[in-house]
Amino acid sequence: SQQGEEDPQALSIQEGENATMNCSYKTSINNLQWYRQNSGRGLVHLILIRSNEREKHSGRLRVTLDTSKKSSSLLITASRAADTASYFCATDAWQAGTALIFGKGTTLSVSS
Amino acid sequence: DGGITQSPKYLFRKEGQNVTLSCEQNLNHDAMYWYRQDPGQGLRLIYYSQIVNDFQKGDIAEGYSVSREKKESFPLTVTSAQKNPTAFYLCASSIRGQETQYFGPGTRLLVL
Repeated sequence: SQQGEEDPQALSIQEGENATMNCSYKTSINNLQWYRQNSGRGLVHLILIRSNEREKHSGRLRVTLDTSKKSSSLLITASRAADTASYFCATDAWQAGTALIFGKGTTLSVSS
Repeated sequence: DGGITQSPKYLFRKEGQNVTLSCEQNLNHDAMYWYRQDPGQGLRLIYYSQIVNDFQKGDIAEGYSVSREKKESFPLTVTSAQKNPTAFYLCASSIRGQETQYFGPGTRLLVL
């Protein structure tokens, strides 16, 4: 049961450019999270945005949430080669006490 | 040094064999999770546990079994009933369900 779907599936940019990836989901949520995964590694939590928040910043990351459109975006500014990774959004299901549901991810390649 | 560990890093399974993947955390988290990751599929939930001695099936539990006898440990057994076990297995934990998850480094399971 896939709740979040990231778009695009793959993104290639040059160092210094901004990278934007989007996530759409189907049902009401309490919060939405973004995670990063380097190739062959575990996921690392980047940021959590709650349903009553519209925008959140963390360093070079900016996340927006539009609950009316059931969508979120992750913006990475001034990308670096080290940002090359897969990025996943995760949402909580509408039932309390259940696990997060992850999308299929966006693979970002940043070339120097 | 707090965190979540998985072992082994690589595991080879023969036909008809059961294998067990280890997951240990010292973060004092109540909730633990097992995910399977195939290329292009994102993360799919196998099992999760919100408390000791209790666990629930995820989306793809068939062919897998778990136990949660201790708060720190959540081992996953891939049984011979799982016909396509080759994948990257990720374990995660969180303070409670639907909040930020902390991931281990993963175990890659291959079939001989």
